[in-house]
Amino acid sequence: DGGITQSPKYLFRKEGQNVTLSCEQNLNHDAMYWYRQDPGQGLRLIYYSQIVNDFQKGDIAEGYSVSREKKESFPLTVTSAQKNPTAFYLCATGMNTGELFFGEGSRLTVL
Amino acid sequence: GESVGLHLPTLSVQEGDNSIINCAYSNSASDYFIWYKQESGKGPQFIIDIRSNMDKRQGQRVTVLLNKTVKHLSLQIAATQPGDSAVYFCAEASGSRLTFGEGTQLTVNP
Repeated sequence: DGGITQSPKYLFRKEGQNVTLSCEQNLNHDAMYWYRQDPGQGLRLIYYSQIVNDFQKGDIAEGYSVSREKKESFPLTVTSAQKNPTAFYLCATGMNTGELFFGEGSRLTVL
Repeated sequence: GESVGLHLPTLSVQEGDNSIINCAYSNSASDYFIWYKQESGKGPQFIIDIRSNMDKRQGQRVTVLLNKTVKHLSLQIAATQPGDSAVYFCAEASGSRLTFGEGTQLTVNP
């Protein structure tokens, strides 16, 4: 099936640990995005990539890192520098025309 | 900075009524607007979009209205059903970046 796959769906992390969230797509979309969503709030852009081997910071990039080595994959690493990482993380893809298609999300909880 | 906001955080309607969800935006350079629906614990789903050269667009049971003069966007849902209960976000696009508002929680009462 075509779509966007995020994994894991739920993830628990101890303070001081880095964790990596996976996002894979087979829609052949050029652009990929990572958003963070806190309870009862909207989506805030962390990083985005419009083409392989290139990515840009969004509005809240501090404490996060990404890579875009393949068109299909855009993993997000939440580093220990992110002071409040507990949130719902959403990956999205698009064709640079505006509309985004979202995955089902990964919920990260820091213990 | 530029932002997209919503007038009401919650909206409660009776099943069968029409719903209107509002959104104000501030970036006059935005040329594309989208409404998304997000059910609890899931990713947002596309509902309908509109380009800045239009003022109205209709879909199945949904209509989006764009008033560029006052920078206002609205989503109208006809004959609201229990399955419409969700959080609705408007988003504005400028280039390849999409900026989201804070969302309106729509509750449909049977």
